[in-house]
Amino acid sequence: EAQVTQNPRYLITVTGKKLTVTCSQNMNHEYMSWYRQDPGLGLRQIYYSMNVEVTDKGDVPEGYKVSRKEKRNFPLILESPSPNQTSLYFCASSSSPPAYGYTFGSGTRLTVV
Amino acid sequence: AQKVTQAQTEISVVEKEDVTLDCVYETRDTTYYLFWYKQPPSGELVFLIRRNSFDEQNEISGRYSWNFQKSTSSFNFTITASQVVDSAVYFCALHFGNEKLTFGTGTRLTIIP
Repeated sequence: EAQVTQNPRYLITVTGKKLTVTCSQNMNHEYMSWYRQDPGLGLRQIYYSMNVEVTDKGDVPEGYKVSRKEKRNFPLILESPSPNQTSLYFCASSSSPPAYGYTFGSGTRLTVV
Repeated sequence: AQKVTQAQTEISVVEKEDVTLDCVYETRDTTYYLFWYKQPPSGELVFLIRRNSFDEQNEISGRYSWNFQKSTSSFNFTITASQVVDSAVYFCALHFGNEKLTFGTGTRLTIIP
């Protein structure tokens, strides 16, 4: 089954403790992206990657890092999480720049206390 | 810059009523794509429709229909004979060129039994 897999689904952590949210897709898509969803703000792009070793900032990249060492994986790294990063995170992939629409992961609900 | 506006933050209707969700977009490009996604209470994002800027035909899929009007930069979504299972947050989104998928802030639809 074609899918984007995110882990974990839920995570509660403390301020400053480094964490990684993993994202993997099995569709051989070149384009991957991370979004965060906050009430009243919709979904905002954090980082995106056009292909392996090619990443770029989205609208809200501060406090986040990403890497794209393999085509299928695109982890989101929070080096020093803060409470304002409490949010619902989505990973997505597309076979091209997203003209054909993304396939989204199931989401990761992160709480930073 | 591209922008998507969903002015209706929340809508409640009684089951079996028809309801229209509004979406207004801004873009300078002549070639672009519009999307609607559904986010049920379980949190995942479900793709509903993709429409390119050259196709202004209205689309109907069961109880769902979409009205695309370039003259007013709108891409409205109508649910006919609403059901409780339609309760969700609905997002309209816009994409052009190599840019990101830009989302509106969403409309929370509640269907009252």
